[in-house]
Amino acid sequence: GAVVSQHPSRVICKSGTSVKIECRSLDFQATTMFWYRQFPKQSLMLMATSNEGSKATYEQGVEKDKFLINHASLTLSTLTVTSAHPEDSSFYICSARISHHRFQETQYFGPGTRLLVL
Amino acid sequence: AQSVTQPDIHITVSEGASLELRCNYSYGATPYLFWYVQSPGQGLQLLLKYFSGDTLVQGIKGFEAEFKRSQSSFNLRKPSVHWSDAAEYFCAVGAEVEYGNKLVFGAGTILRVKS
Repeated sequence: GAVVSQHPSRVICKSGTSVKIECRSLDFQATTMFWYRQFPKQSLMLMATSNEGSKATYEQGVEKDKFLINHASLTLSTLTVTSAHPEDSSFYICSARISHHRFQETQYFGPGTRLLVL
Repeated sequence: AQSVTQPDIHITVSEGASLELRCNYSYGATPYLFWYVQSPGQGLQLLLKYFSGDTLVQGIKGFEAEFKRSQSSFNLRKPSVHWSDAAEYFCAVGAEVEYGNKLVFGAGTILRVKS
């Protein structure tokens, strides 16, 4: 159980175009999903928290107009990188949360999406 | 602010040898602690977690970790390493925010296994 998928696994796009990445919880419902960015040989940095039916909560320094997040259902969140530039090239990973008790939560991660902007 | 320190960037062990990966955290309240493993180009897989109770936690793939509050540590151990354990390991602390928990990750430790 607790499987999270991402699509696509890899995408190459031209500078100035927009790219949408999907994150799905396959066998559970997730009211909250998270989007992370990972640069080569570095740790994960939280970009935003995606809440079903409401606006995403962005971390300091993350441009909300550039990284659009939509959490339309309990099993799907999308991240759209708008007007992508080469500096947006990175590994994007989503996670979905399962709550056991208040604040006792476990995040399950998707396999990641490698974005390359030319 | 919450932080996680993994002092070792790289560790190399021989196959069959024991392993300990270090993790120290800084957090003012009760920490919720996690170890994840990442293979190259892949997402993160949960190895084990600590919420409360027994401070020695058993995880998957033969891993265990011990929470030591006095040392603010949550070190990961395995008695006998297999070549397939070569990967990058991340320690994380769950920090309470108004909407639940936010994971703060350490920088990671790359494990190499030599035969």
